[in-house]
Amino acid sequence: DAGVIQSPRHEVTEMGQEVTLRCKPISGHNSLFWYRQTMMRGLELLIYFNNNVPIDDSGMPEDRFSAKMPNASFSTLKIQPSEPRDSAVYFCASSPGYEDSGNTIYFGEGSWLTVV
Amino acid sequence: RKEVEQDPGPFNVPEGATVAFNCTYSNSASQSFFWYRQDCRKEPKLLMSVYSSGNEDGRFTAQLNRASQYISLLIRDSKLSDSATYLCVVKNYGQNFVFGPGTRLSVLP
Repeated sequence: DAGVIQSPRHEVTEMGQEVTLRCKPISGHNSLFWYRQTMMRGLELLIYFNNNVPIDDSGMPEDRFSAKMPNASFSTLKIQPSEPRDSAVYFCASSPGYEDSGNTIYFGEGSWLTVV
Repeated sequence: RKEVEQDPGPFNVPEGATVAFNCTYSNSASQSFFWYRQDCRKEPKLLMSVYSSGNEDGRFTAQLNRASQYISLLIRDSKLSDSATYLCVVKNYGQNFVFGPGTRLSVLP
């Protein structure tokens, strides 16, 4: 079975450029999450969607970050304009359901972003 | 205070040792609990869920104390391949998964 698929796996970009990260969740999963991980701050939830609707975006650092989920099989995280402090690993994850407390979360391999 | 806190580590132990990780959480309404493992430059992966009565999976034993808001993971007969970062995860209402900062384990030959 295919897991969570993210692209690109690695990206190096110049400060000020737009960055778009993509994610395909596991088929049939209703919830999708975007996390950011750095050495200093650990794993931080940026935003999560349930049935394509954003539920909690309180972790989005600022207006330069935006996320969309136009359908059940695709989501994007966009940074515009990018800054060096955005350098991190960005993980997309999905989960089967919303209310079932036993459900857990499955991660993609991550998108490694370096902004120079 | 962070919502989920863990031993800072790193833990450096010899092969065959028993090692225990602790985790505390602040939200008394938390519903589900998990341990994840993250290898260097890889994504976190589920190691095991944690049930109220405690549960075991081979060399791994997880315990939950809701009254103390405390979770533990015990690894017996540690292997070189157990070297990783162990993340304590708490799920609150809805889909709010909160990850602890992780504890790094190095098992030495």
